[in-house]
Amino acid sequence: GENVEQHPSTLSVQEGDSAVIKCTYSDSASNYFPWYKQELGKRPQLIIDIRSNVGEKKDQRIAVTLNKTAKHFSLHITETQPEDSAVYFCAASIRSSNTGKLIFGQGTTLQVKP
Amino acid sequence: DAGITQSPRHKVTETGTPVTLRCHQTENHRYMYWYRQDPGHGLRLIHYSYGVKDTDKGEVSDGYSVSRSKTEDFLLTLESATSSQTSVYFCAIRGVADTQYFGPGTRLTVL
Repeated sequence: GENVEQHPSTLSVQEGDSAVIKCTYSDSASNYFPWYKQELGKRPQLIIDIRSNVGEKKDQRIAVTLNKTAKHFSLHITETQPEDSAVYFCAASIRSSNTGKLIFGQGTTLQVKP
Repeated sequence: DAGITQSPRHKVTETGTPVTLRCHQTENHRYMYWYRQDPGHGLRLIHYSYGVKDTDKGEVSDGYSVSRSKTEDFLLTLESATSSQTSVYFCAIRGVADTQYFGPGTRLTVL
């Protein structure tokens, strides 16, 4: 079945450095790839998304890149700040039917050290 | 917050008891989803609904049932709770262009 692999599971960076989280998906028909940030005890919040007709999207310090040929996409956070510390989840749409279903990666715990 | 609430927010119950979790939305979204979140597994889809009385299974549906008698309410029922169903449960709605927005979650502990 459909699968999304996310790496690394944990990531520690110094404040000001960049962080990169990578995901690989299995369904070649997937065409929507959101990223969520979840702070401790809170709900996942959508932070950025990309569709298969676009190779890169930026929003201030965060960006997402998509390589459809290799079936992987990545989240890039530049100039990291302590408030970026959270768990990040990638997801990919399941296109077997128009249900809006998503498959999520296992999550990456990002720690930004002051 | 996309007008999504969940109740209860916390529940402790015993093995074998029935449990119903409620998701309520105020913005007339057609699609609603129930996920469970466990360490190391991300978010896994339990069931989803694509309209009143229209529901279907997700990837981890065993032991769960759902109902949707009104557009605004999507109920998740554990007919006989087991310790393996201890988890955090999130409801979500489908917004514009496949975006999903999550409710605040329900932390369920089955003793």
